[in-house]
Amino acid sequence: VQLVESGGGLVQPGGSLRLSCAGSGFSFGSFSMDWVRQAPGRGLEWLSHISTDSRTIYYADSVKGRFSISRDNGESSLSLQMNSLRAEDTAVYYCVRGFLFNSFDVWGQGTKLTVSS
Amino acid sequence: EIVLTQSPATLSLSPGERATLSCRTSQTVDSSELAWYQQRPGQAPRLLIFGVSNRATGIPDRFSGSGSGTDFTLTINRLEPEDSAVYYCQQYTQSLWTFGRGTRVEI
Repeated sequence: VQLVESGGGLVQPGGSLRLSCAGSGFSFGSFSMDWVRQAPGRGLEWLSHISTDSRTIYYADSVKGRFSISRDNGESSLSLQMNSLRAEDTAVYYCVRGFLFNSFDVWGQGTKLTVSS
Repeated sequence: EIVLTQSPATLSLSPGERATLSCRTSQTVDSSELAWYQQRPGQAPRLLIFGVSNRATGIPDRFSGSGSGTDFTLTINRLEPEDSAVYYCQQYTQSLWTFGRGTRVEI
């Protein structure tokens, strides 16, 4: 069971970036998926949730209207489209698998985003 | 918005001792949706406890979770050097997932 994120990098304020997450070793389409981030030296912040069939999507207020989550069950992939990026979006972004009692049982290694001019 | 308050911020203990970590929520947690994670330096977080008191796969029985309502506890018995990490509690309510700020455990 593995999640592998990609797509991080250096982006200027106001710019856009798309993160991807590839799942393997499990039936990807059977699990809800989320994105969680961690700013440098800070704690964990939940960002977004998508249900197995993509019909239910939630966002944290901090990214609502700027970020968009999507998934492709056929490709076992999860994406996060990030627009209007700000310096405070600088963080490691984790792709996580939904589990019982709304916990997260599988975490990727994370992909780093730096928003700076 | 629910707030999770973890205490203490840092806990310094010796190998073999017991660690008691607290997580208090600003609202009652329904349906046992409270989890604990361990994050070692340079690593991604790892699920330890879900549903207040259920150990995740592969987690040793030195780790236990308890509590209800607004007060929850993670207990780590017989501390080992590898338990040095930051521990986060997390809860879910009304379409939002929230993490506490973490407790650093130094062995």
